Amino acid sequence: DTEVTQTPKHLVMGMTNKKSLKCEQHMGHRAMYWYKQKAKKPPELMFVYSYEKLSINESVPSRFSPECPNSSLLNLHLHALQPEDSALYLCASSLRPDSGAYNEQFFGPGTRLTVL
Amino acid sequence: KQEVTQIPAALSVPEGENLVLNCSFTDSAIYNLQWFRQDPGKGLTSLLLIQSSQREQTSGRLNASLDKSSGRSTLYIAASQPGDSATYLCAVGTGTASKLTFGTGTRLQVTL
Repeated sequence: DTEVTQTPKHLVMGMTNKKSLKCEQHMGHRAMYWYKQKAKKPPELMFVYSYEKLSINESVPSRFSPECPNSSLLNLHLHALQPEDSALYLCASSLRPDSGAYNEQFFGPGTRLTVL
Repeated sequence: KQEVTQIPAALSVPEGENLVLNCSFTDSAIYNLQWFRQDPGKGLTSLLLIQSSQREQTSGRLNASLDKSSGRSTLYIAASQPGDSATYLCAVGTGTASKLTFGTGTRLQVTL
């Protein structure tokens, strides 16, 4: 298995809802990432997990809560979102977070989130 | 703060042409640089990874070069095809876990 999968593909939620995004990889990668991409803009890093531990939080609001239950799975829990949080949420993984120049990131297809 | 710029923002070429996409970055202390392709509404496909110690990398019709000291990379696409139409993003890897900072992208259209 050489891909990163994300579910769901699309998600519509109200501002009072609680939902979760899921990301999986079975490539033995030990770094996993969440990015946010607004329309016609480049992706922006949100969180990095290295060896299942949160290593980078790019000052993301607490209404986004990441979780890495094991080395293959990454979740993003959503609560009390705002309409401006509507975006494409991309998950990525890489083999080893400490491999420096060799650290190639592979992306999933994304979840298109709409907040009403 | 690392800033990454891509020129041009959009490009339209007839099928068969060779073309060059440009990427520049402000901080040369990078681990690597990746080129990605993104189709509308889709995820990113990794095209090439150039390590900071390398000058270029090739995959099929694609060739990417890196001049770290001047903060520049180019992606050369040979014999372009309509299927190459997409947005191309460069991203520089810095710091722990090779945090990626993305460029602004070049939207490429290859016409018949």
